Amino acid sequence: EAGVTQFPSHSVIEKGQTVTLRCDPISGHDNLYWYRRVMGKEIKFLLHFVKESKQDESGMPNNRFLAERTGGTYSTLKVQPAELEDSGVYFCASSQGDREETQYFGPGTRLLVL
Amino acid sequence: AQSVTQLGSHVSVSEGALVLLRCNYSSSVPPYLFWYVQYPNQGLQLLLKYTTGATLVKGINGFEAEFKKSETSFHLTKPSAHMSDAAEYFCAVNGGRRALTFGSGTRLQVQP
Repeated sequence: EAGVTQFPSHSVIEKGQTVTLRCDPISGHDNLYWYRRVMGKEIKFLLHFVKESKQDESGMPNNRFLAERTGGTYSTLKVQPAELEDSGVYFCASSQGDREETQYFGPGTRLLVL
Repeated sequence: AQSVTQLGSHVSVSEGALVLLRCNYSSSVPPYLFWYVQYPNQGLQLLLKYTTGATLVKGINGFEAEFKKSETSFHLTKPSAHMSDAAEYFCAVNGGRRALTFGSGTRLQVQP
């Protein structure tokens, strides 16, 4: 069974540009999460989808971040326009069922905004 | 509200020595607790988790952790470190929300 995949693995952009990150969850997982780790800090929650609906987006830092999950399958996270402080590693995770279920993480996208 | 504190951002042990990585949590509801490991250039991999039941939890690669409610702790241990254990370890809590709250991570170095 394929794990969570993320694309691209790395992205280097200039301040003010737009970047779109993609996550493909494990097949059949209704729950999809985005997290971010800024350099030297802890991994922080951004948002949670159940199928195509946003269940919790309390961690989204501001309106420059837009997440979508088309048809309850893959998800995209767009940053527009990117700022220097958006640099970090963006992780996607997916899970089945309830909160005791394991969240399976992808390898992350390393974003550098110059 | 929920939070996690990992004591020690860097821990160094000798190969064959005991590994002890500390994690304390706070949660307003009975917590679910997780330890994840991140090897270089890889994603986070689940080592073990506590949800309910037995408080001593065994995970992969010889790691185990004990949930101690009175101490609000979930420390990770391994009797004998191996070079391949060098990685970054994250403790996380799920205290009612689906979202995980992570500690700041502990980087484990294993000396030959």
